[in-house]
Amino acid sequence: DADVTQTPRNRITKTGKRIMLECSQTKGHDRMYWYRQDPGLGLRLIYYSFDVKDINKGEISDGYSVSRQAQAKFSLSLESAIPNQTALYFCATSDQARGVGELFFGEGSRLTVL
Amino acid sequence: GENVEQHPSTLSVQEGDSAVIKCTYSDSASNYFPWYKQELGKGPQLIIDIRSNVGEKKDQRIAVTLNKTAKHFSLHITETQPEDSAVYFCAASMGTGNQFYFGTGTSLTVIP
Repeated sequence: DADVTQTPRNRITKTGKRIMLECSQTKGHDRMYWYRQDPGLGLRLIYYSFDVKDINKGEISDGYSVSRQAQAKFSLSLESAIPNQTALYFCATSDQARGVGELFFGEGSRLTVL
Repeated sequence: GENVEQHPSTLSVQEGDSAVIKCTYSDSASNYFPWYKQELGKGPQLIIDIRSNVGEKKDQRIAVTLNKTAKHFSLHITETQPEDSAVYFCAASMGTGNQFYFGTGTSLTVIP
């Protein structure tokens, strides 16, 4: 089983719908991140969390919200999806004990907003 | 904030040749520079990293060099193989672990 699991892997929805992308990890890491990948733009940080009570905005948080339900779970929500939120979304984790270091990514959730 | 530029966006090489991907960064406070490889349908995976107190690091066929004065760092892959075909991302971080600024990616194709 994957250490960082994202669900759903693919989702097609309509403008205005609420969407939740879920991430769970078995690595025991305290830090979790949500990134968005667009062609030609690389990976951009949406939100990050260093523990259950810590939520921080990244570069492109507008239109998104997150919830850290437990150390192992970090969800990303689009309250009212719009077409320019069509992208590939990645959850990642890292180990605080190692300071700045390796990000471990899930396999991605491809979201299409019609 | 930090700005990371990556070139080229696409790169094709013959099997056995070398490949070089270059990145520049803007903030002199950045001190950690990882490189990630993303295979089709998968998430990025760390392949090598370098910290600002080191000028060069090598791991088998891959190496990374860092020039702090010029604010640029490069990935070198020697003796390329078809399985090296992937998208490669550079990144920069200021060491607090909260923000990694990624380049726009390089799609490398190794032609057998």
